[in-house]
Amino acid sequence: EDQVTQSPEALRLQEGESSSLNCSYTVSGLRGLFWYRQDPGKGPEFLFTLYSAGEEKEKERLKATLTKKESFLHITAPKPEDSATYLCAVTTMIKAAGNKLTFGGGTRVLVKP
Amino acid sequence: DSGVTQTPKHLITATGQRVTLRCSPRSGDLSVYWYQQSLDQGLQFLIQYYNGEERAKGNILERFSAQQFPDLHSELNLSSLELGDSALYFCASSVGQGREKLFFGSGTQLSVL
Repeated sequence: EDQVTQSPEALRLQEGESSSLNCSYTVSGLRGLFWYRQDPGKGPEFLFTLYSAGEEKEKERLKATLTKKESFLHITAPKPEDSATYLCAVTTMIKAAGNKLTFGGGTRVLVKP
Repeated sequence: DSGVTQTPKHLITATGQRVTLRCSPRSGDLSVYWYQQSLDQGLQFLIQYYNGEERAKGNILERFSAQQFPDLHSELNLSSLELGDSALYFCASSVGQGREKLFFGSGTQLSVL
């Protein structure tokens, strides 16, 4: 069974204090790894998709990287508006699984001014 | 705005009752997914439909059922409701059934009293 574990569960940062979030995964043939951002009471919002080890993607203050066992989401010089829960998810090569995403528990990030 | 519309936003009902949650996918998207999010379980995949056909099934209870109609909107039916069914229910859509990203609606908050 596919498993996704995110750490830490919660992160408190000062504005400008860079940090990294970890996503470890176990999957039967990784088809894609996704990062989403979720604000309270709202649906997850897509950030990145990574498909193969060594791949990196960037968007503003966020950078996602992928290895064969884990992914990191680096937040550089965060601002209070970066406060959210960041979710990692994987999709597998197994045909019977369709295109379902298996999500981790998320990391709650709070950036204080 | 993701383009995925879910109604109603909030639903309060009693144990033993039956409710229907509705989802309209983004224009052009053929796949619809249902997810349940609770504090202790995180985001759990329930079911995926592609162009009217069931494509993948997760840990969906037998008391729950879903369908996707010819106009591609989807409904999730929850019956014999229990207190533990209280959760946020999200619908998501994607263009196909490959490894493309999912777009999530803003969810239906179900409270079973």
